[in-house]
Amino acid sequence: HLQMQESGPGLMKPSETLSLTCTVSGDSIRSTDHFWGWIRQPPGGRLQWISTIDRDGSTYYNPSLVSRVSTSIDTSKNQFSLRLISVTAADTALYYCTKERRDGINYVDMWGQGTLVTVSS
Amino acid sequence: DIVMTQSPLSLPVTPGEPASISCRSSQTLLYTNGNTYLNWYLQKPGQSPQLLIYLTSNRASGVPDRFSGSGSGTDFTLKISRVEADDVGIYYCMQPLHTPWTFGLGTKVEIK
Repeated sequence: HLQMQESGPGLMKPSETLSLTCTVSGDSIRSTDHFWGWIRQPPGGRLQWISTIDRDGSTYYNPSLVSRVSTSIDTSKNQFSLRLISVTAADTALYYCTKERRDGINYVDMWGQGTLVTVSS
Repeated sequence: DIVMTQSPLSLPVTPGEPASISCRSSQTLLYTNGNTYLNWYLQKPGQSPQLLIYLTSNRASGVPDRFSGSGSGTDFTLKISRVEADDVGIYYCMQPLHTPWTFGLGTKVEIK
């Protein structure tokens, strides 16, 4: 049974760099038909897709965030990570790591429980 | 970005009665392969979103058949034939065709 768990700093200050890690258990992150992503939801706001990575490290980014975001994968640890530079209060959100299908039948079919990131001075 | 517009944003429902949620996209979600890329998710209170419907009308594994999706092009509907108490939560439509994938604001379904 696949499980995904995010870990992150919780509270940050403006201009700092956000680093989040998602640990996957119950399945191999090397699976060929899986893609691994990040989605966030600001308080009272709309869900926003951030990025996706496959097992080979190929990445997809939201154009609105591409200048500040990067995603990496560590197959030896069954983890993938998100890095967001120069955070502001607008980056305050619940961040979910996700599993996606992108084989012509596209969907997000698994979500972590989410980790709240608050940016405040 | 593709804008997804849901209505209503709040939907009080009576158990046993039907319910319907609409979703409109700012561009067509019909692709050249014949698939129409519209998904529905339900976020139950205190939980992460879960996939209900993909490709407009296909129920995800384990989703009860009282849930159905329909639509084409830019206009879509999620219907619950007979609402149960366990169906409360926020329903989101989402398009996974155009980058970036985008979501509606959500429709909050609650029991009257």
